[in-house]
Amino acid sequence: DAKTTQPPSMDCAEGRAANLPCNHSTISGNEYVYWYRQIHSQGPQYIIHGLKNNETNEMASLIITEDRKSSTLILPHATLRDTAVYYCIVSYSGNTPLVFGKGTRLSVIA
Amino acid sequence: GAVVSQHPSRVICKSGTSVKIECRSLDFQATTMFWYRQFPKQSLMLMATSNEGSKATYEQGVEKDKFLINHASLTLSTLTVTSAHPEDSSFYICSPMASYGYTFGSGTRLTVV
Repeated sequence: DAKTTQPPSMDCAEGRAANLPCNHSTISGNEYVYWYRQIHSQGPQYIIHGLKNNETNEMASLIITEDRKSSTLILPHATLRDTAVYYCIVSYSGNTPLVFGKGTRLSVIA
Repeated sequence: GAVVSQHPSRVICKSGTSVKIECRSLDFQATTMFWYRQFPKQSLMLMATSNEGSKATYEQGVEKDKFLINHASLTLSTLTVTSAHPEDSSFYICSPMASYGYTFGSGTRLTVV
């Protein structure tokens, strides 16, 4: 079973920041927080991951709370092409499979 | 890096026939391969885990004799759906494990008629 809880859907206006929350209150000390997204009928696309510190890359920022029980994925300037299902996953780094929950369906609106 | 090629992207087959899905890691070697399936409006569900040169480990409820997995090399794994039935219609996704993290194929849409 997935160890994360996400809202089922969110809307965001084009050009605005999209903030996607994720709760993972049972995360273990060595588990990472991964974010993937899936555009309709495609395979999951990696966005970002982190352990304790906040992370930023060309796609997004990941903010992890100090107690690591929750995190927020930030898409700074959402575009229509960011419409997708976003999955927050906690997992050990290594040869363990990612367990996908239901994710958040983000709709970016013009 | 991390280029994954999954073929075919979509296939329609008749009930009772078999379908083979190929997953290749083009610029890295994958000792471990995960196979997922995704039914409409649902999330990805892990079907099986395979390690190169070993038999695959299947998740509960996934028939190993129906979903044959071959992982004979570090760059190629195949999933064969044998004696397909309409309830096997789904989106199948491979996930080769790279040294630097998880990768995914683009998926195969299987429709059994």
